[in-house]
Amino acid sequence: QSALTQPASVSGSPGQSITISCTGTSRDVGGYNYVSWYQHHPGKAPKLMIYDVSNRPSGVSNRFSGSKSGNTASLTISGLQAEDEADYHCSSYTSSSTPWVFGGGTKLTVL
Amino acid sequence: EVQLVESGGDLVQPGGSLRLSCAASGFTFSSYNMNWVRQAPGKGLEWFSHISSSSNTIYYADSVKGRFTISRDNAKNSLYLQMNSLRAEDTAVYFCARDGGRWDFDYWGQGTLVTVSS
Repeated sequence: QSALTQPASVSGSPGQSITISCTGTSRDVGGYNYVSWYQHHPGKAPKLMIYDVSNRPSGVSNRFSGSKSGNTASLTISGLQAEDEADYHCSSYTSSSTPWVFGGGTKLTVL
Repeated sequence: EVQLVESGGDLVQPGGSLRLSCAASGFTFSSYNMNWVRQAPGKGLEWFSHISSSSNTIYYADSVKGRFTISRDNAKNSLYLQMNSLRAEDTAVYFCARDGGRWDFDYWGQGTLVTVSS
């Protein structure tokens, strides 16, 4: 069982917006602004999409945005495109026994 | 261009050993902390080991502590993972990931598959 909770799957039509949630505790998501999000097309290298809750690395589309409220972080993808179909994983720094924890991953399907 | 290429994955029997490598290029390897992350079939990602740029600081998750050893050779731009006493639950795709310095992982390799089965 993953330390952070994500929905197993979400879907949306091209052009729509979707939001993926990532719920933790006050020892990780809620306690620190160190949430990151990764896009993973199976068989490829995962790609950093968001760091420090809401910051985009250079080269990442501004269609991707992150936010946090309490113990839940969220990734929003606007103007869905076919190439956005992938698995999305959240991660957070944690004050638990290991420095990093991940969510179980969310499969995004673009209908 | 930053590149991380893992190798060494294989089918191994329970109790066996395996050594994974991660070849880095496109950046000053000796300046970055590095990590190993794995993904078991149908599961999420799991961070399990970290090594600082000079090898002074090493962390392990409890799931691998005492069985896995992380190391690096900055002269060869390479990261390693020695895995001993392998178990079926170690079956996963193993990724090396560069530490972004902000509690994130800014570059990843494509992974190498380790299967532990008799």
